[in-house]
Amino acid sequence: SQQGEEDPQALSIQEGENATMNCSYKTSINNLQWYRQNSGRGLVHLILIRSNEREKHSGRLRVTLDTSKKSSSLLITASRAADTASYFCATAVDPSNTGKLIFGQGTTLQVKP
Amino acid sequence: EAGVAQSPRYKIIEKRQSVAFWCNPISGHATLYWYQQILGQGPKLLIQFQNNGVVDDSQLPKDRFSAERLKGVDSTLKIQPAKLEDSAVYLCASSPGRQGFGNYGYTFGSGTRLTVV
Repeated sequence: SQQGEEDPQALSIQEGENATMNCSYKTSINNLQWYRQNSGRGLVHLILIRSNEREKHSGRLRVTLDTSKKSSSLLITASRAADTASYFCATAVDPSNTGKLIFGQGTTLQVKP
Repeated sequence: EAGVAQSPRYKIIEKRQSVAFWCNPISGHATLYWYQQILGQGPKLLIQFQNNGVVDDSQLPKDRFSAERLKGVDSTLKIQPAKLEDSAVYLCASSPGRQGFGNYGYTFGSGTRLTVV
């Protein structure tokens, strides 16, 4: 079964608005990562947040992590049409003897010009 | 820095045929992963290599799927015989090491889209 569950499954906004995606997971983690996937392409790593961090920023991206609630959120500010893609959270389960990432089902974001 | 290379980009085969995918990770990356992504779903790990050894193949359908990473560099994933439900995108990714021994993002290739008819 999937470790991470994203919410919402689909999101449609106007250019310039903010987009918020949420991820919930089930077990303790070492870190949580967010990836973007444009249609027909591979995944691109966006940001990594460690289990002892609560918030992290990268450009227009802001990620929060609440380990007590086993949840994370990705905020994209001032969205652009080019942000249209699917976004996945992935968790590195801790403790783990393999260190693999487990991906959620993703949120499909559409940004309308 | 060159990215993760995968080939072919697309493949269409009939069921019961065999197919092979190739991946060349980023130079120096010790860990290599093969993921299967069915349309509309998130990637699912098939197999993880650390150098040329298998770390995790618990979700690899071993009756039909096989993978190798000779010399700890490039890797091939094979399906024989293919089934209709194998239609998916097969993604290869690499990272400098294993999570838990550091914190690493993955670098993914563009994937191979397999259609089984």
